Amino acid sequence: GQSLEQPSEVTAVEGAIVQINCTYQTSGFYGLSWYQQHDGGAPTFLSYNALDGLEETGRFSSFLSRSDSYGYLLLQELQMKDSASYFCAVGGATNKLIFGTGTLLAVQP
Amino acid sequence: DAGITQSPRHKVTETGTPVTLRCHQTENHRYMYWYRQDPGHGLRLIHYSYGVKDTDKGEVSDGYSVSRSKTEDFLLTLESATSSQTSVYFCATWVEQNNEQFFGPGTRLTVL
Repeated sequence: GQSLEQPSEVTAVEGAIVQINCTYQTSGFYGLSWYQQHDGGAPTFLSYNALDGLEETGRFSSFLSRSDSYGYLLLQELQMKDSASYFCAVGGATNKLIFGTGTLLAVQP
Repeated sequence: DAGITQSPRHKVTETGTPVTLRCHQTENHRYMYWYRQDPGHGLRLIHYSYGVKDTDKGEVSDGYSVSRSKTEDFLLTLESATSSQTSVYFCATWVEQNNEQFFGPGTRLTVL
């Protein structure tokens, strides 16, 4: 079967750096994605990693190690608006995604 | 960005009644998906479509059917709604150039 594990909650302070980890078990792996969802809103795409290594997009970075079936999302210079749920997802054929259960990030002043 | 609308945005219905949710996209994307989101479960795929009249089941398809007669519309039907189908339903399309699923605003369905 396919499964993903990520922490359920993370708390950090404004201006800090936080890392959200994701481990996965899947067949037919195509890539690891990250999505952000604010309370009451729709999930929005953050990043996609198909190959090993670090991808940087502004304050957010995403890392993948295919050999370890592991990835993480790194958020730097945290802001209050970063308080949200973050989901990792693995992709397969027909671009279907299997999502983790999400990590609730609380940014405190 | 893809434009996706979902209708209705909120619906309250009674057990045993049929319900149809509509997803409409304006970007001519080939792939479309229906998810449900429940506390503690994240997003779970119900059905997806890879073209007009081409659909397949996801991980939680029991009790749901879909239809796609036009590229822009993907309908999700609950033939006889049950309380366990109370959830938030999201539609999404695949944006190929970004390897991204783009989500609609969601429909909150309550089955009493």
